[in-house]
Amino acid sequence: KAGVTQTPRYLIKTRGQQVTLSCSPISGHRSVSWYQQTPGQGLQFLFEYFSETQRNKGNFPGRFSGRQFSNSRSEMNVSTLELGDSALYLCASRIVPGQEIYEQYFGPGTRLTVT
Amino acid sequence: EDKVVQSPLSLVVHEGDTVTLNCSYEVTNFRSLLWYKQEKKAPTFLFMLTSSGIEKKSGRLSSILDKKELFSILNITATQTGDSAVYLCAVGTKTSYDKVIFGPGTSLSVIP
Repeated sequence: KAGVTQTPRYLIKTRGQQVTLSCSPISGHRSVSWYQQTPGQGLQFLFEYFSETQRNKGNFPGRFSGRQFSNSRSEMNVSTLELGDSALYLCASRIVPGQEIYEQYFGPGTRLTVT
Repeated sequence: EDKVVQSPLSLVVHEGDTVTLNCSYEVTNFRSLLWYKQEKKAPTFLFMLTSSGIEKKSGRLSSILDKKELFSILNITATQTGDSAVYLCAVGTKTSYDKVIFGPGTSLSVIP
C-alpha cells in the first residue's frame, strides 16, 4: 500500500508570494492533517480535514488555509508569504478521526524556503 | 492551554548505553499518548499508550504511561547508531473534536 505522498518536496518562494502544497493520503484514509515544523517551534498543528470539511484548526493566521477534495486529497495554501513561514510542512493521514486509534502516518514533507 | 513537555531536549550516548526519554503533559480530555521517531524525514509511529502501567515493547524500545502523574517514558536499551533521531511525544485529546499535540522532541545522538 502506498504511503502518504506530498508534492512538491522542495520549494523556494519570495516574500509576498503565495504557495500551494499538495498531499495524497494513504488509500482508504479519509482524514488529513497538516503540520508545520520549525527548529524553534517544533511540530505545530495547522488543521485537519475530513469529508471535505475542516474539523479542527490550530493557532495560525488566516494566511494559512486548506481544503480537501472528494478523493481525500488535500491542499494547503499560504498567501503573502513571510520569512517566518520557512519550514517543513508535514501532512499526515489516518483512517477516520474520532476513533481510539490516533495512529497517523506522515508524508515526507515539503520543505518551503521563503527568501 | 494544552501542553506537552519532553526532557532532555538533546542527549548524546555511546553505543550500548540505555537511555530513558521523558514526556509529561497537561491536557484536558486525555485520550492517548503517542511516540514517534523522526530521522530527518517524516515521523514514524512507534507506540500508542492509553492505559496506565501497561508496558508496550518493540524490540529494544519500550514505553509506559502513568496517567496519575501525567507522564510517559520511552526506554531504549543497547542503543545503536541507527537509533539516532528525534523522538517526538504527542498527546491525543478529545473534546468536541480530537486533536494531537506534539512536544518539542528529544534529539538523541548515539556515537560509536
